[in-house]
Amino acid sequence: GAGVSQTPSNKVTEKGKYVELRCDPISGHTALYWYRQSLGQGPEFLIYFQGTGAADDSGLPNDRFFAVRPEGSVSTLKIQRTERGDSAVYLCASSLGTGSHSGELFFGEGSRLTVL
Amino acid sequence: ILNVEQSPQSLHVQEGDSTNFTCSFPSSNFYALHWYRWETAKSPEALFVMTLNGDEKKKGRISATLNTKEGYSYLYIKGSQPEDSATYLCAFASTGNQFYFGTGTSLTVIP
Repeated sequence: GAGVSQTPSNKVTEKGKYVELRCDPISGHTALYWYRQSLGQGPEFLIYFQGTGAADDSGLPNDRFFAVRPEGSVSTLKIQRTERGDSAVYLCASSLGTGSHSGELFFGEGSRLTVL
Repeated sequence: ILNVEQSPQSLHVQEGDSTNFTCSFPSSNFYALHWYRWETAKSPEALFVMTLNGDEKKKGRISATLNTKEGYSYLYIKGSQPEDSATYLCAFASTGNQFYFGTGTSLTVIP
């Protein structure tokens, strides 16, 4: 497809389990962002990739969260030892990302994570 | 973490009414201000990307203005329609390569 694709769309897991969320950006978009949205909040920045490298991971809440983008396209957000507080919608967005933030973000539909 | 505020948090208007909402952001390290519309069960979609102080942009019945010196942007919807019902998000882009989102304004247009 032409848009940003995120899988799974819904994930229910138990506390303590490991979870992977996948984002397939628009072809040719070098910038990729992960955001987390909890109920009643705006999207909270987690990490930004420019190409294969994490240009800014200052938003990752703790060392249970990790993200990779090994070939500069698909990215995986990995959450270890999930906690109930990790329940949220995880949004991925991509942009042409030439270093200019005047380019719009293209979002996926999000992955809703529920930790029981 | 920079503070981006949107008001009101939610809004109910009658079909045909015009409405507006506000996004406030830091006036320093400004790079761009984005507006997105997020309909239920869909992805957020860009409405406007604004970079210059005094920018005014328009798309159909929706328009936006930008004041970077005082740190605010207004989004206006003229003659609201039920299909305008959505959450409207603004995002402040700083020179530090991040986008900071507000909590959004949830608009419901009553037929």
